[in-house]
Amino acid sequence: IAGITQAPTSQILAAGRRMTLRCTQDMRHNAMYWYRQDLGLGLRLIHYSNTAGTTGKGEVPDGYSVSRANTDDFPLTLASAVPSQTSVYFCASSDSTHEQFFGPGTRLTVL
Amino acid sequence: AQSVTQPDIHITVSEGASLELRCNYSYGATPYLFWYVQSPGQGLQLLLKYFSGDTLVQGIKGFEAEFKRSQSSFNLRKPSVHWSDAAEYFCAVGGYGNKLVFGAGTILRVKS
Repeated sequence: IAGITQAPTSQILAAGRRMTLRCTQDMRHNAMYWYRQDLGLGLRLIHYSNTAGTTGKGEVPDGYSVSRANTDDFPLTLASAVPSQTSVYFCASSDSTHEQFFGPGTRLTVL
Repeated sequence: AQSVTQPDIHITVSEGASLELRCNYSYGATPYLFWYVQSPGQGLQLLLKYFSGDTLVQGIKGFEAEFKRSQSSFNLRKPSVHWSDAAEYFCAVGGYGNKLVFGAGTILRVKS
């Protein structure tokens, strides 16, 4: 593994279902982030974690939860998916320089 | 609160022509500024960044950006555009903690 991996690459999900998007990094970065990308809105921060064991809310946290049990993994969970959560989701990590490194994204469609 | 404005949603330039993408930010102190590029179906790649020092920053793929504090701007430039530069470009500002705020993006089309 080199950098950040995300799984799945894409997913079609029925409304009301639970879904976890996975994110793993091998750069030993302390900080990790989840963004959603929607046309015309750019990237918006959902949740972040400055270090293992801590998490914080971003700009659009409602309907999402995260955990950070260790440095490498930062899963994003949709407890009960709704169509407005149809989006492309990007995971990122950063070191102390503020530069963020992005994963390839997960395209999620909620029907 | 931090914010970023990219006034141009779409820009079309001819191959070989010069390019300038605009970015204006709002932040109370000296910001960290970034430009990222996203090719279709891909993640974001860092083009360049400004933290401090020289206000003209060189990046990858022949791009540069100039930080102008008086105008709260960080415009991206390239003297001669190639067809492979067609992509979406995002300006971002960082400050407190490690969080970034992104602009809405500018889609660059290159015509031959």
